[in-house]
Amino acid sequence: DAKTTQPNSMESNEEEPVHLPCNHSTISGTDYIHWYRQLPSQGPEYVIHGLTSNVNNRMASLAIAEDRKSSTLILHRATLRDAAVYYCIDRYNFNKFYFGSGTKLNVKP
Amino acid sequence: DVKVTQSSRYLVKRTGEKVFLECVQDMDHENMFWYRQDPGLGLRLIYFSYDVKMKEKGDIPEGYSVSREKKERFSLILESASTNQTSMYLCASSALGDTARYEQYFGPGTRLTVT
Repeated sequence: DAKTTQPNSMESNEEEPVHLPCNHSTISGTDYIHWYRQLPSQGPEYVIHGLTSNVNNRMASLAIAEDRKSSTLILHRATLRDAAVYYCIDRYNFNKFYFGSGTKLNVKP
Repeated sequence: DVKVTQSSRYLVKRTGEKVFLECVQDMDHENMFWYRQDPGLGLRLIYFSYDVKMKEKGDIPEGYSVSREKKERFSLILESASTNQTSMYLCASSALGDTARYEQYFGPGTRLTVT
């Protein structure tokens, strides 16, 4: 089964960049790497996804290692509203995704 | 904006009751999902539907069934609720096609307590 590994928690200061790492050593060659986040008392929300190249959107950047066994979600300037659990997701079956326990990001003012 | 709504935010039911959790999406998505979320276990897929009247079992379908009579609506049914089904239930939808290519949009969740 596919599995992702992430640190349980990380801490950042407000206005500073945050790099959230993920290892997905069993990812297949054609599967996209997805990142979601879950704010307190809400359902998960999509952040970004990519296949091989680095990706940017209005929320974050995604840096993908050349061998695709790891990726890093980059929040360029963390705000208090970015405090959430961040999930790096891998697929282990056509319709099944492994969410894992994610990384709880704490942002200090 | 995609909107996925769930019928209740909080629900308390008794052991043995039949429970219906409803999910509606407004973006004409073909794929819909039901997950449950428990501390330390992350999100686990219960059932998945890729079209009206079509369903596929996820990782933990035991004790649950689903219904998809209309494209926008996906219902999760607990045939006889038990205390180990106390959990947060999350519904999601995504566009047609390879589920790995498209993002899933989640509802706010229903926190179900079975006493």
